[in-house]
Amino acid sequence: DGGITQSPKYLFRKEGQNVTLSCEQNLNHDAMYWYRQDPGQGLRLIYYSQIVNDFQKGDIAEGYSVSREKKESFPLTVTSAQKNPTAFYLCASTKTSGRWDEQFFGPGTRLTVL
Amino acid sequence: SQQGEEDPQALSIQEGENATMNCSYKTSINNLQWYRQNSGRGLVHLILIRSNEREKHSGRLRVTLDTSKKSSSLLITASRAADTASYFCATDAQGGSEKLVFGKGTKLTVNP
Repeated sequence: DGGITQSPKYLFRKEGQNVTLSCEQNLNHDAMYWYRQDPGQGLRLIYYSQIVNDFQKGDIAEGYSVSREKKESFPLTVTSAQKNPTAFYLCASTKTSGRWDEQFFGPGTRLTVL
Repeated sequence: SQQGEEDPQALSIQEGENATMNCSYKTSINNLQWYRQNSGRGLVHLILIRSNEREKHSGRLRVTLDTSKKSSSLLITASRAADTASYFCATDAQGGSEKLVFGKGTKLTVNP
């Protein structure tokens, strides 16, 4: 089955810790995206990558970092610099880097800061 | 800032009724997409409508686009309890970067 997987489903972090959220896709898609969703809100773009070894900041990149060393993988690190990290994090991919493409989403990771 | 804004924020109907959700946006677009999100899950793409299209159908879904009013509507006919979810519109922007901008969504509840 082709799709996007995210792990873990739930993640708890103590203040001051960095945590890394995993996103893997086997759709052979070029572009990948990370979004943050807060309760009752839409999705806000954190980072996106149109090609391996390249990525761009989205609207709320501060306190986050990413890497794209492989086409299939786009991990997101939530650093201690992110002051309010408790949220639902969604990873997505598109076949090409065009904004007209349908986005395929993973099931999400819910991060809670204790 | 949000490009698309859905209206209403929440909608509650009975099974069998039609549900209409609206999306307004600010700048000219190339295309508009509608997505569905079940509670605590990822989003699922429903339909894409291009700026030169006025109406599109997919099963029980009907999407219209009025570029002069910068608005779109999503109609779900003969709703079912399984349609209960949040619905989001997403727009690009002509001349904008390679990303979509999502609205805050309409939360639809279909009562059996």
